[in-house]
Amino acid sequence: AQTVTQSQPEMSVQEAETVTLSCTYDTSESDYYLFWYKQPPSRQMILVIRQEAYKQQNATENRFSVNFQKAAKSFSLKISDSQLGDAAMYFCASNRQGAQKLVFGQGTRLTINP
Amino acid sequence: DTAVSQTPKYLVTQMGNDKSIKCEQNLGHDTMYWYKQDSKKFLKIMFSYNNKELIINETVPNRFSPKSPDKAHLNLHINSLELGDSAVYFCASSQFLTNSPLHFGNGTRLTVT
Repeated sequence: AQTVTQSQPEMSVQEAETVTLSCTYDTSESDYYLFWYKQPPSRQMILVIRQEAYKQQNATENRFSVNFQKAAKSFSLKISDSQLGDAAMYFCASNRQGAQKLVFGQGTRLTINP
Repeated sequence: DTAVSQTPKYLVTQMGNDKSIKCEQNLGHDTMYWYKQDSKKFLKIMFSYNNKELIINETVPNRFSPKSPDKAHLNLHINSLELGDSAVYFCASSQFLTNSPLHFGNGTRLTVT
């Protein structure tokens, strides 16, 4: 069974600075996919970034990038130049090849200090 | 144009009642889901339908019955509501490719009193 762990219930960062959210996962599969979703106070679940496990190159989306360490089963999210609108719950998630079951971590609440 | 829309946004009801939540997607996806987010914000899958067929059914009480009349719709009916059913319920959709990200609706906050 897949598990996803986010060990930081809460994080805070000053506006314009960089913050890294941690995520570790456990799977016996060789093919799987990893995601970060953002949930602002509006409750909407928004895809931030995704990574295919077979790709060595770390995914990037503008100010958002990941540090994917496959051997360590680690998938951290780096947010550069933090903005007030980045304040939200961030969820790490994974699913395995051939499955349609996204497994989520517990979430990290990110606060941006002006 | 809303991609995944679910109604109602809020639902307040008493214990023992029966209620339904509706979901529709206009993305042309062939797979739809129901997720439950509890009071601690933990998200867990309940059901998944692919082309109107049930493919994932987690250990959910049989008071919960999903119904998919077509690929674009997945409704959730809940019988004999209990206090513990209070949560936010999210509908989502995707293409049946595991690297296809899920698109979520805005959630339905169910409060059982």
